[in-house]
Amino acid sequence: AQSVAQPEDQVNVAEGNPLTVKCTYSVSGNPYLFWYVQYPNRGLQFLLKYITGDNLVKGSYGFEAEFNKSQTSFHLKKPSALVSDSALYFCAVSPMDSSYKLIFGSGTRLLVRP
Amino acid sequence: DAGITQSPRHKVTETGTPVTLRCHQTENHRYMYWYRQDPGHGLRLIHYSYGVKDTDKGEVSDGYSVSRSKTEDFLLTLESATSSQTSVYFCAISDPMRGVSTEAFFGQGTRLTVV
Repeated sequence: AQSVAQPEDQVNVAEGNPLTVKCTYSVSGNPYLFWYVQYPNRGLQFLLKYITGDNLVKGSYGFEAEFNKSQTSFHLKKPSALVSDSALYFCAVSPMDSSYKLIFGSGTRLLVRP
Repeated sequence: DAGITQSPRHKVTETGTPVTLRCHQTENHRYMYWYRQDPGHGLRLIHYSYGVKDTDKGEVSDGYSVSRSKTEDFLLTLESATSSQTSVYFCAISDPMRGVSTEAFFGQGTRLTVV
């Protein structure tokens, strides 16, 4: 079965420190990979995606993600966290079949303390 | 923000009643999706549409039906609501066939409570 795992329910980090939110996936072929962020009572906002090419992709708000094909991982990173980064983060994979659907991880809540 | 409007934004309904949620887009995207969000599960696909009158089931389609009579509108119907359908429902749109962007854009969500 195709799946996405976000092993941490919550990540705590101090403002100014680097952050990492982990994601691994089990999808056949060469899927497209995405990160979305959700603020309270809001919809999901697109952060970044990996389609092909450079394994390090840059996205919105200073976030970046590193694709590792051998480990089937796509970890989200930011060099210096802000309190305003506190939100719920979702990793998603599109197997790029005819549905172009997204398979989501369970989400990781990021809490950045001042 | 992508032009996606979900209505209603909040609804409380009784067990056994039918409920219809609406998603309206102004982006002329070919694909439309309905997901539900539940704690510990992330978002799960209910149904999707790949064109007018073209729909297919997702991972958690039991108890739900959809219709798409126009490009811009995608309706989700709970034929007889149950408490297990209490959730937050999100509509999403995408048009990967255009080759410009492959990401999906999401509406603001509908919080449905079945009592």
